[in-house]
Amino acid sequence: DAGITQSPRHKVTETGTPVTLRCHQTENHRYMYWYRQDPGHGLRLIHYSYGVKDTDKGEVSDGYSVSRSKTEDFLLTLESATSSQTSVYFCAISGKERGDFTDTQYFGPGTRLTVL
Amino acid sequence: GESVGLHLPTLSVQEGDNSIINCAYSNSASDYFIWYKQESGKGPQFIIDIRSNMDKRQGQRVTVLLNKTVKHLSLQIAATQPGDSAVYFCAAGGGATNKLIFGTGTLLAVQP
Repeated sequence: DAGITQSPRHKVTETGTPVTLRCHQTENHRYMYWYRQDPGHGLRLIHYSYGVKDTDKGEVSDGYSVSRSKTEDFLLTLESATSSQTSVYFCAISGKERGDFTDTQYFGPGTRLTVL
Repeated sequence: GESVGLHLPTLSVQEGDNSIINCAYSNSASDYFIWYKQESGKGPQFIIDIRSNMDKRQGQRVTVLLNKTVKHLSLQIAATQPGDSAVYFCAAGGGATNKLIFGTGTLLAVQP
């Protein structure tokens, strides 16, 4: 998984509770991404980061926030989890080959989140 | 909006045969394309990529073909093996958006 870990790997939580997912990389890639994967949909971008403290929204950012205080860590927070946020969440990294967004994205193993 | 789609949701092939997985994209400004393989319970794994200045690129047992005229790309897997059974995604990037747009995936089932 290209030096990417995600934690936790599985989580069950209740509606209304806050949840934080962590992505950690050891590859020193500049860009980091959070995606969600749901049946019938391709991977959809939630948020991404182009450097420490530099983040931006993706196509499905409502209800999510992110933070990146160190190059190696990118956190995804669900402030108040809802059942519609039940999904598999993937972190990805890129930026080491060409240094731009068209670099290959390498994915972590995923976190399966269930919101009851 | 932009989309990346796959012609067939499921492809069943015999072990040893060649497999062809197709993908269409909508943004003519896309200039970077990737194929990923995803096994059950795992994250997408990079297979091969191609940029718009190329029509064909080969890897180990895999070939990607790009037809920019009809906005179509394909992944060819030679001598398909049981270990190739997985979902395959294409993704397109570049152009007006600097983010990848992913297809929904094709399930490749290899029959022994």
